[in-house]
Amino acid sequence: GAVVSQHPSRVICKSGTSVKIECRSLDFQATTMFWYRQFPKKSLMLMATSNEGSKATYEQGVEKDKFLINHASLTLSTLTVTSAHPEDSSFYICSARGLTPLGEQYFGPGTRLTVT
Amino acid sequence: GQNIDQPTEMTATEGAIVQINCTYQTSGFNGLFWYQQHAGEAPTFLSYNVLDGLEEKGRFSSFLSRSKGYSYLLLKELQMKDSASYLCAVFDSNYQLIWGAGTKLIIKP
Repeated sequence: GAVVSQHPSRVICKSGTSVKIECRSLDFQATTMFWYRQFPKKSLMLMATSNEGSKATYEQGVEKDKFLINHASLTLSTLTVTSAHPEDSSFYICSARGLTPLGEQYFGPGTRLTVT
Repeated sequence: GQNIDQPTEMTATEGAIVQINCTYQTSGFNGLFWYQQHAGEAPTFLSYNVLDGLEEKGRFSSFLSRSKGYSYLLLKELQMKDSASYLCAVFDSNYQLIWGAGTKLIIKP
């Protein structure tokens, strides 16, 4: 299957700072990328959907000014958590989908964010 | 509303067979996925069904009945490494993935 990388895998930051997470599709062009967060023992929660070259579509309840998403190319999307707070601590996972809408989503390995 | 139901937790014995059920009510249907997720890791793709019937892939099989809004994932010859959460997800009419909460599968020796 296709490979999606995510960086960093773990990050610890202080409250009030910003953190950027990168998601890359390594061997295919991702027309659509998805950002999820997952709390312990809970299911994935879709935060936003981004299409290359256009603004991300955020799910209800997700603050677009706090979670900045940039999908600048067909292989890279970034999520920036601005002014992080301890309640933002979570597992953030990106996934990518290629040109075929019926194709499965390929997930990155996830980023464990801890805000102290 | 859109809803996907699957059991929260199941327990099975190493070497046995287990069936994890998933029922869905969504606005349209364009396929159903099963993913495996080990604790602390991202989900990995297991199967995709868009037509009725059984798809077999090694020790894992997935079944779909669109008329019943029902799918199951069948795991044979269970191994300890199969202990994980299994997520059912459906593509709705807009090709948005609707996720179930996942079934935690515990394998005992």
